[in-house]
Amino acid sequence: GAVVSQHPSWVICKSGTSVKIECRSLDFQATTMFWYRQFPKQSLMLMATSNEGSKATYEQGVEKDKFLINHASLTLSTLTVTSAHPEDSSFYICSAIFLLGQGAGEAFFGQGTRLTVV
Amino acid sequence: DAKTTQPPSMDCAEGRAANLPCNHSTISGNEYVYWYRQIHSQGPQYIIHGLKNNETNEMASLIITEDRKSSTLILPHATLRDTAVYYCIASGSSNTGKLIFGQGTTLQVKP
Repeated sequence: GAVVSQHPSWVICKSGTSVKIECRSLDFQATTMFWYRQFPKQSLMLMATSNEGSKATYEQGVEKDKFLINHASLTLSTLTVTSAHPEDSSFYICSAIFLLGQGAGEAFFGQGTRLTVV
Repeated sequence: DAKTTQPPSMDCAEGRAANLPCNHSTISGNEYVYWYRQIHSQGPQYIIHGLKNNETNEMASLIITEDRKSSTLILPHATLRDTAVYYCIASGSSNTGKLIFGQGTTLQVKP
């Protein structure tokens, strides 16, 4: 199956600094990618839809100035957590959609990035 | 997208079939039923999807009721590696790939 690679797998950063997470679709072009956040023992929460060549669409309650998303090519989307604080510590996961036709699509997920802000 | 309801947890004996139910009584005509699973600390993995007809692939079978208000994911011969959280998601063609995850069912396969 298709592969989506996320980098880094884990990162520790100091409070106030910014962290960039990359999501790459390795063997297909993805015009749309999605970013999720997952806290311990909770489900995945959709943060935003990343659209190639245009601005991302953020879910209600997600601060667009804090979570900067760039989707500059058909194979790469980045999420930058700006001015990180301890409460931003979480598991961040991206997905890229492979269209199957007739309105269906298969989401391929990255392996996730565990962010710890100290 | 329609809301889905799943039992929070289930147990299954290794080698036996695991039947995971999902209720999606408000599903609309253009919404597919997708199943994904997440093994601890990994990204979710696609299992199967369907619209109206029952579906089968190398991983599982999906049985959708005629009124489409519920479905069952069947893992025919569960192994210890199938222990995971299983998510049933209804998602329409207008938002292909945009998945809203519920709490899912934690399946524990026991030896």
